[in-house]
Amino acid sequence: DGGITQSPKYLFRKEGQNVTLSCEQNLNHDAMYWYRQDPGQGLRLIYYSQIVNDFQKGDIAEGYSVSREKKESFPLTVTSAQKNPTAFYLCASSQLRPGGNEKLFFGSGTQLSVL
Amino acid sequence: AQSVTQLGSHVSVSEGALVLLRCNYSSSVPPYLFWYVQYPNQGLQLLLKYTTGATLVKGINGFEAEFKKSETSFHLTKPSAHMSDAAEYFCAVIRSYIPTFGRGTSLIVHP
Repeated sequence: DGGITQSPKYLFRKEGQNVTLSCEQNLNHDAMYWYRQDPGQGLRLIYYSQIVNDFQKGDIAEGYSVSREKKESFPLTVTSAQKNPTAFYLCASSQLRPGGNEKLFFGSGTQLSVL
Repeated sequence: AQSVTQLGSHVSVSEGALVLLRCNYSSSVPPYLFWYVQYPNQGLQLLLKYTTGATLVKGINGFEAEFKKSETSFHLTKPSAHMSDAAEYFCAVIRSYIPTFGRGTSLIVHP
C-alpha cells in the first residue's frame, strides 16, 4: 500500500542533544512538508521541499534542519538550538500539479518530548 | 500572506444535532480550501476540498462545506452528529503550493 511513514512514534531528547525524525513516502510525490503541532496552535510549517536537493524555510524554521537527498525521504533534525522542542511533529506529502490544489497525505506523527 | 481563522477552539453538540464548524480565510484571490480531520495521536485525513465549480462541496462521513466568496467563508456542516465524529477539525488553504492551517476546532459529541 502506498503511504507516508514517520518514525519513531515517540522520541525523547536530552538537553543539548540533536535528534532526527524520519519521514518516508512511496507515493512518488514531489513535495514534502514538516509541521509542528502544539495544543491550540494548529499546525505550523517548519520546512518544505518541492524538489530533490532543495528545500525552503517555513514559518518556524529556527532550531530545525532538513535534507532532501532522495525524493522519497525528508528527515527533520531538531537541534539543540530549539529550546522548546516538545510537540507533535507531522510530515506530509503532495503531488505538485498545475493549480496547486492537491491534497496533503499525512504520516501518523512523532511525539517528541524532552527528558 | 494569507491566513485562516477558525472560530471556536471547541464546539460541543449532542448526538444527532447539527454540526457547524466555522472557517474564514483572508485572501485577495480565493484560494483552494480544505477541511481535514484528526483523531487522537494520528495524522490528518482529508474530509473535503473546494477548488473551482460548485460552491457546495460534499465530503466523507456526511460532511459538507459551502464556499461563500462574499463572506470569505468555508464553514463545515453535518446534519446529524455521531459519537464517532468527535475529533479535531482543521481548515486549510493552499496558495502557490503552500498549505496554511487554522488553529483547529475540537468537536465534542455528547450522548
